[in-house]
Amino acid sequence: ETGVTQSPTHLIKTRGQQVTLRCSSQSGHNTVSWYQQALGQGPQFIFQYYREEENGRGNFPPRFSGLQFPNYSSELNVNALELDDSALYLCASRPGGAEVYGYTFGSGTRLTVV
Amino acid sequence: AQKVTQAQTEISVVEKEDVTLDCVYETRDTTYYLFWYKQPPSGELVFLIRRNSFDEQNEISGRYSWNFQKSTSSFNFTITASQVVDSAVYFCALSEAFGNQFYFGTGTSLTVIP
Repeated sequence: ETGVTQSPTHLIKTRGQQVTLRCSSQSGHNTVSWYQQALGQGPQFIFQYYREEENGRGNFPPRFSGLQFPNYSSELNVNALELDDSALYLCASRPGGAEVYGYTFGSGTRLTVV
Repeated sequence: AQKVTQAQTEISVVEKEDVTLDCVYETRDTTYYLFWYKQPPSGELVFLIRRNSFDEQNEISGRYSWNFQKSTSSFNFTITASQVVDSAVYFCALSEAFGNQFYFGTGTSLTVIP
C-alpha cells in the first residue's frame, strides 16, 4: 500500500503571497490532518478533516484553510504569507473511528517565505 | 490542558550503548493515547508505538522498549545497543480519547557516534 505523499517538497514564496500544498492520504484512511513544524520544534496541529468536513482546528488564524476531497486527498491553503509561516508542513492520515490510531505522515513540504 | 515535555534536547551516545529518552505528559483525561515517532533527516515522521492509558504493560520490540508509568505521567523510550541508524529526532505525543489533535513534545535529537 502507498503511504502519504505530499507535493511540492520545497517551495519559496514571497511575503503576502498565497500558497497551496497538496496531500494524498494512505489508502483506506479517511482522516487527514495538517501540522506545522518550525525548525527545532515539535509539530503543531493546524486542522483535521474527516470525510470532507473540518472537525478540529488548532490555534491558527483563518488565513490557514483546507479542503478534503471525496478520495480523501487534501489541500492546505495559506493566504497572506508571513515570514513566520516558514516551516515544514506535514500531512498525516489515519483511519477514522472511535479508536485513535497513529498517524502515517508524509515527508512534508518545506515552505520558505522571503 | 494537554502537554508533553521532553526535557532532553540533545543526546549523544557511542554505538552499542543503551540510551533512554524521557517523556512526561500532562492531561486531565482518564482515557488517552501516547505515541513515539522517529524523524530522520528526510523529515518524515515514522510511527514507533501507540499505547492507551489503560495498558500499563511495558513493551519490547527488538532493541526498542517502552516504560509507561501513570503514577509519574511518564512514557520513556529505551534503545538497547544503539546503532548509527538510530540517529534521528524522536518525538513523544499525546492524544485525547476523542480528540482531534496530537500534542507533540519538542523532540530529542539523538546522535549515535560510531
